[in-house]
Amino acid sequence: AQTVTQSQPEMSVQEAETVTLSCTYDTSESNYYLFWYKQPPSRQMILVIRQEAYKQQNATENRFSVNFQKAAKSFSLKISDSQLGDTAMYFCAFMNTGNQFYFGTGTSLTVIP
Amino acid sequence: DAGVIQSPRHEVTEMGQEVTLRCKPISGHDYLFWYRQTMMRGLELLIYFNNNVPIDDSGMPEDRFSAKMPNASFSTLKIQPSEPRDSAVYFCASSLRHQNTEAFFGQGTRLTVV
Repeated sequence: AQTVTQSQPEMSVQEAETVTLSCTYDTSESNYYLFWYKQPPSRQMILVIRQEAYKQQNATENRFSVNFQKAAKSFSLKISDSQLGDTAMYFCAFMNTGNQFYFGTGTSLTVIP
Repeated sequence: DAGVIQSPRHEVTEMGQEVTLRCKPISGHDYLFWYRQTMMRGLELLIYFNNNVPIDDSGMPEDRFSAKMPNASFSTLKIQPSEPRDSAVYFCASSLRHQNTEAFFGQGTRLTVV
């Protein structure tokens, strides 16, 4: 079975600073997909960034980037130049080749002005 | 496309009553997922469908929970009878059977059972 672990229930960062959210997962599959979702107070789940396991290059989306370590089964999210609008819950997710999603328990990020 | 549409957004019901949550996936998506979100357990996958067929319902907590997908554009999650511990936010999500596609989520239904 696949599991996703986010070991940081809460984090805070000063506006304009950089923060890294950690995520580890466990799987026996070799091909899979990883995602970071953001859930602001509006409750809407918003995709932040995705990573294909077969790609060695780390995904980047503007201020958001990942550090994907396949051997270590680690998938951390780095947010650069943090903005107040980044305040939200962040969920790491794993998708297997059967299209089944598994989510971590989330990290609550607060950006401090 | 309007995205995944869930109704109602909020539901308050008394213990013992039947509750039905509704979901309209994105047109053309062939996977549909029901999740429950609580502070204690985070996001839990309850059940998912592929081409309207339930594939894995191992996350459904009890027989009081049932889900149906009568056609490609509609799914329901029913709780009968409801209990206070069912209070949570219930999300529906849909996706396409393509590699690297993400799941698109609805706004969720906040259920309160009193």
